[in-house]
Amino acid sequence: NAGVMQNPRHLVRRRGQEARLRCSPMKGHSHVYWYRQLPEEGLKFMVYLQKENIIDESGMPKERFSAEFPKEGPSILRIQQVVRGDSAAYFCASSPSWAGRTGTYGYTFGSGTRLTVV
Amino acid sequence: GQQLNQSPQSMFIQEGEDVSMNCTSSSIFNTWLWYKQDPGEGPVLLIALYKAGELTSNGRLTAQFGITRKDSFLNISASIPSDVGIYFCAGLSGTYKYIFGTGTRLKVLA
Repeated sequence: NAGVMQNPRHLVRRRGQEARLRCSPMKGHSHVYWYRQLPEEGLKFMVYLQKENIIDESGMPKERFSAEFPKEGPSILRIQQVVRGDSAAYFCASSPSWAGRTGTYGYTFGSGTRLTVV
Repeated sequence: GQQLNQSPQSMFIQEGEDVSMNCTSSSIFNTWLWYKQDPGEGPVLLIALYKAGELTSNGRLTAQFGITRKDSFLNISASIPSDVGIYFCAGLSGTYKYIFGTGTRLKVLA
């Protein structure tokens, strides 16, 4: 029973390029969350998606960042025209239902994608 | 925005010692979670707390949901080298968004 799968594990991009981060939730999970972790910091909420719907993108920068969770296939976090400040670890998490439901036990996280912008 | 403050920020302890860390918030949360993150990996859930005053154990770990619902505590008894890592608290904001603390970095000296 595979957990949350993220790829690539490491991604190096030059300034101005695009970065695409993929996340396949756990089997049976239909809710996906993206978090960003800067070095030596905690995790910051970016976006919450269900299949084909963005529920909450209040943590996403208004420009250059977008996320989707299509009916088929993984969730994608896309960063256009990357800058050095985008260098961070990006974590995807999933849950079977809305994560606040008692007994849902919060999120299951993937191992993350570490983005380095050079 | 909502913030969770964890203390201590980091700690070095001897193997076999007990560890205590806490998490405080200016806001009330209805659910508290504690996660551990190993280097290069994603956070792994340790304990979930759903009621104010609740005390829950998971092996050598014990966590409590503060009675004011603005804080939570995690204790690790008889620490071992594999306890090294970063421990995060997380409070549920609304129905789906968890706010994470700044982390406590634990290093165990053999």
